[in-house]
Amino acid sequence: QVKLQESGPGPVKPSETLSLTCSVSGDSISSSSYYSYYWAWIRQPPGKGLEWIGSLFFGGSTYYNPSLKSRVTMSVDTSKNHFSLRLSSVTAADTAVYFCARQRGFRAYAPTSPFDPWGQGTLVTVSS
Amino acid sequence: QSVLTQPPSVSGAPGQTVTISCTGSSSNFGAGFPVHWFQHLPGTAPKLLIYENTKRPSGVADRFSGSKSATSASLAITGLQAEDEADYYCQAYDTILSGSVFGTGTKVTVL
Repeated sequence: QVKLQESGPGPVKPSETLSLTCSVSGDSISSSSYYSYYWAWIRQPPGKGLEWIGSLFFGGSTYYNPSLKSRVTMSVDTSKNHFSLRLSSVTAADTAVYFCARQRGFRAYAPTSPFDPWGQGTLVTVSS
Repeated sequence: QSVLTQPPSVSGAPGQTVTISCTGSSSNFGAGFPVHWFQHLPGTAPKLLIYENTKRPSGVADRFSGSKSATSASLAITGLQAEDEADYYCQAYDTILSGSVFGTGTKVTVL
């Protein structure tokens, strides 16, 4: 059974960079199959709905939400079987619960499949 | 801005049927992409309920069912139970985002 778990350093100050890691157990994050998995980040601001941040295919394509693209970087660490999110120049509007998730897809095409499974999420607060 | 529109809330008594709508646009549903549905209890991981419009993952009760037309989709919960009280979200691929878009979310209350 695949499990995902988010972790991060805690509160972030405005204008700094938010960094989160998603540890994956029960599956290899570095599958080389043409049809495998994207690894994704999604967030939910307090009292609001879900927002897709980005999806990454190891050794393949990465897709970012256009509204965040200039500030987002996703990466994979195969030695630790985890993937990471960096969001720069944060403001209070970036305060949210951040989820990581897995999404089936083809290496060269944007995934259209559901996110499954998800991590339970981690709250990141941006405050001075 | 790409978004899928859901009613903020629906409610029903135990045993009743409730339906949640999800309205899209030409860049998602209208382009033929399927809808997926999630159940979310705050503080927990969202759970996949329905994928590719009508399919249920193993372990999901058959009280949950989905349907989709050209520009909208629906999730029905029959035989409503207290444990169904949660937030529900739809999700689809959007050509403007080149990624996923979520519904605005619906809170289901069991009276």
